[in-house]
Amino acid sequence: SQTIHQWPATLVQPVGSPLSLECTVEGTSNPNLYWYRQAAGRGLQLLFYSIGIDQISSEVPQNLSASRPQDRQFILSSKKLLLSDSGFYLCAWSGRREQFFGPGTRLTVL
Amino acid sequence: QKEVEQNSGPLSVPEGAIASLNCTYSDRGSQSFFWYRQYSGKSPELIMFIYSNGDKEDGRFTAQLNKASQYVSLLIRDSQPSDSATYLCAVKAENTNAGKSTFGDGTTLTVKP
Repeated sequence: SQTIHQWPATLVQPVGSPLSLECTVEGTSNPNLYWYRQAAGRGLQLLFYSIGIDQISSEVPQNLSASRPQDRQFILSSKKLLLSDSGFYLCAWSGRREQFFGPGTRLTVL
Repeated sequence: QKEVEQNSGPLSVPEGAIASLNCTYSDRGSQSFFWYRQYSGKSPELIMFIYSNGDKEDGRFTAQLNKASQYVSLLIRDSQPSDSATYLCAVKAENTNAGKSTFGDGTTLTVKP
């Protein structure tokens, strides 16, 4: 069966610091991968999606970037965090239809 | 107009009652429909999916799809306090790049003992 991992689970970072969140998927090959952000009490905002290695599409222009160095690894990065980057970051994968989420990373920028 | 709309709630039902959650969508090309349950502080969990018009039942959950009217609903029978969560509706058109789904903002359900 497929499993999706995210780390860290929680993170507190100062404004202006860098960020790196990692997501890995097990039990499937060539999945579509996604990064979402959910602000407190809000819906899901799609940030990036990827259909393959080094194939990244950005949905919302911002100070975040994503990379997919391996088939089942998806990384979300920032060079300088903003207060507005605080939120719940979710990685997801999909095969042909259904989409499944990882456990998420709760980021607080102070 | 949002692409996927849900009543934000909160929807409150007594234990044992039927909870009815509704979702409308604007893209007539949508082909796949999903319901996710999200407990506070946790990630969304896929609980139902439906691809054809009509009803699909799984235990206490029934998903209903009406493509002509562009709505999809989720019924929860014999609601339990453990069903208290936010329910997210998602739709997907088969021809979207990377199979992207569009999510509603969710309906918060509270089941009172």
